[in-house]
Amino acid sequence: KQEVTQIPAALSVPEGENLVLNCSFTDSAIYNLQWFRQDPGKGLTSLLLIQSSQREQTSGRLNASLDKSSGRSTLYIAASQPGDSATYLCAVDEGAQKLVFGQGTRLTINP
Amino acid sequence: KAGVTQTPRYLIKTRGQQVTLSCSPISGHRSVSWYQQTPGQGLQFLFEYFSETQRNKGNFPGRFSGRQFSNSRSEMNVSTLELGDSALYLCASSLQPGRLQFFGPGTRLTVL
Repeated sequence: KQEVTQIPAALSVPEGENLVLNCSFTDSAIYNLQWFRQDPGKGLTSLLLIQSSQREQTSGRLNASLDKSSGRSTLYIAASQPGDSATYLCAVDEGAQKLVFGQGTRLTINP
Repeated sequence: KAGVTQTPRYLIKTRGQQVTLSCSPISGHRSVSWYQQTPGQGLQFLFEYFSETQRNKGNFPGRFSGRQFSNSRSEMNVSTLELGDSALYLCASSLQPGRLQFFGPGTRLTVL
């Protein structure tokens, strides 16, 4: 059974810092891996999708990497801003659109 | 292009009742997935529909069911509600399997 773990569970950093969020998964037989953000009481916003054959994806200040063989992904956020405060979730697609989610990292950027 | 819409946004029911939630995907998207989010269990996959066919189902009891219509709109139904069914129910759509999933704002269900 696929298990997705995100470390740390919570992170608080001052504005302007670069930071890394970690995600690990137990079964490397995945179709893709996606990163989302969720603001309190809201739905999920898609950030990046990395296909299983890719190593990384970039969007603006965000960069996500994937190492399928070791079952790890990282989300790098450059020059963090208070608006980046949210819960970040990673999810692996096991196929037929079944996403298995981690518990998330709650990120707080302090002005 | 309008995003994924879910109705209603909030719902209060009592134990034993049944409920139907609705999801309208982004125009042109044919795959619709449903998820349950609770503080204890996090986000859990319920089921996925593509071209009106359920292709995948999560580990939930038979009280949870769904369907998809020819216009790709989807509904999920929960019968004989239990207190533990209180959750945020999220719907996601994608153009086709394997592509980025876009989530709606969710329906918050409270069971009293």
